[in-house]
Amino acid sequence: KAGVTQTPRYLIKTRGQQVTLSCSPISGHRSVSWYQQTPGQGLQFLFEYFSETQRNKGNFPGRFSGRQFSNSRSEMNVSTLELGDSALYLCASSSIPSGGDNEQFFGPGTRLTVL
Amino acid sequence: SQKIEQNSEALNIQEGKTATLTCNYTNYSPAYLQWYRQDPGRGPVFLLLIRENEKEKRKERLKVTFDTTLKQSLFHITASQPADSATYLCALPGGYKLIFGSGTRLLVRP
Repeated sequence: KAGVTQTPRYLIKTRGQQVTLSCSPISGHRSVSWYQQTPGQGLQFLFEYFSETQRNKGNFPGRFSGRQFSNSRSEMNVSTLELGDSALYLCASSSIPSGGDNEQFFGPGTRLTVL
Repeated sequence: SQKIEQNSEALNIQEGKTATLTCNYTNYSPAYLQWYRQDPGRGPVFLLLIRENEKEKRKERLKVTFDTTLKQSLFHITASQPADSATYLCALPGGYKLIFGSGTRLLVRP
């Protein structure tokens, strides 16, 4: 069974630009959660999608948005990039909604650098 | 608000010894707790889940305890190996999402 895939793996952008990251969950998983990881803040929850609906959203500005398609693939978008958005962006998939006693399967992440 | 604390200082131990990592939480009564391992530049990997009615859980060289009175979980790796060197994260459910601790880095010296 293929794992969670994320594209691209690395990305360099400049301030003010926007970026779209993609996540393909494990086949059959309908929950996709996104996290931002930085050395100072650790793993911070961005949002979760389940069956194309956003179930929960973390404490991030509106520049961070996402969506999920009918095949469960998910994208997240960050507009008007700031230097502080440089981070490892991780997505995780699960067979049931996040918060249930299920493990999360993480992708390898997308390393975003904002110059 | 819910708060999870893990020792931010790295744990440095000799190969063969038992590593013990701590996860403390406040303002919280989670139904379960999870532990993950993360290697540099990679996503976390699930290791163990322990429920509130379970005192202890084992998997090969790993052991997790869950003390709901102390609001603490201990994660043990027995007979540690250099390959166990990584960052270990605990995670608890909170409001339809998992909340992760900041992780503790473990370094096992050969």
